[in-house]
Amino acid sequence: SQQGEEDPQALSIQEGENATMNCSYKTSINNLQWYRQNSGRGLVHLILIRSNEREKHSGRLRVTLDTSKKSSSLLITASRAADTASYFCVAVQGGSEKLVFGKGTKLTVNP
Amino acid sequence: DAGVIQSPRHEVTEMGQEVTLRCKPISGHDYLFWYRQTMMRGLELLIYFNNNVPIDDSGMPEDRFSAKMPNASFSTLKIQPSEPRDSAVYFCASSEQRYGYTFGSGTRLTVV
Repeated sequence: SQQGEEDPQALSIQEGENATMNCSYKTSINNLQWYRQNSGRGLVHLILIRSNEREKHSGRLRVTLDTSKKSSSLLITASRAADTASYFCVAVQGGSEKLVFGKGTKLTVNP
Repeated sequence: DAGVIQSPRHEVTEMGQEVTLRCKPISGHDYLFWYRQTMMRGLELLIYFNNNVPIDDSGMPEDRFSAKMPNASFSTLKIQPSEPRDSAVYFCASSEQRYGYTFGSGTRLTVV
């Protein structure tokens, strides 16, 4: 896989607001995955979107993928304090099982 | 399923001692990964196995690090001798057919 570059590096919002995080990558992919890491914990797989998909939903999460721009976005709607965490994207090329993580976006949701 | 189980949760050891970290993957998962996380370097992949066979150990920092997977339900990461710069959180993860990793809670290692 290749390292995704998340943007912004840090994001602070109020509870109830939406949070949008972006991810860019460099080469063609098989799928793109988003993970969440709460402080001091392991990563949790949130959602996987395949290269032939443009949008995917899971609860309050919405992920889009634009392969022409080599970018993805993760939208968390109606954010909660419990959404405070770091979020990572990983672009998977296929043929390689390694997931290479970037620095992530650190999201803080203020109550 | 109890998820990926790592032990110990915390380990404090003196420089020069041997450290062994343990991981039990999710039953049925055929891939197992060891990662290390520090503030400076973020998450680094150390090694991964497929069907108990090491596939890529290019991330193992040096010969002091070794990993084994004697069977489908158990893996170890050993550091001998340990050094203060090995202090980090070590994560084990497993996956089935390469999609959607499940991470353990990690082992926080402190080498003094």
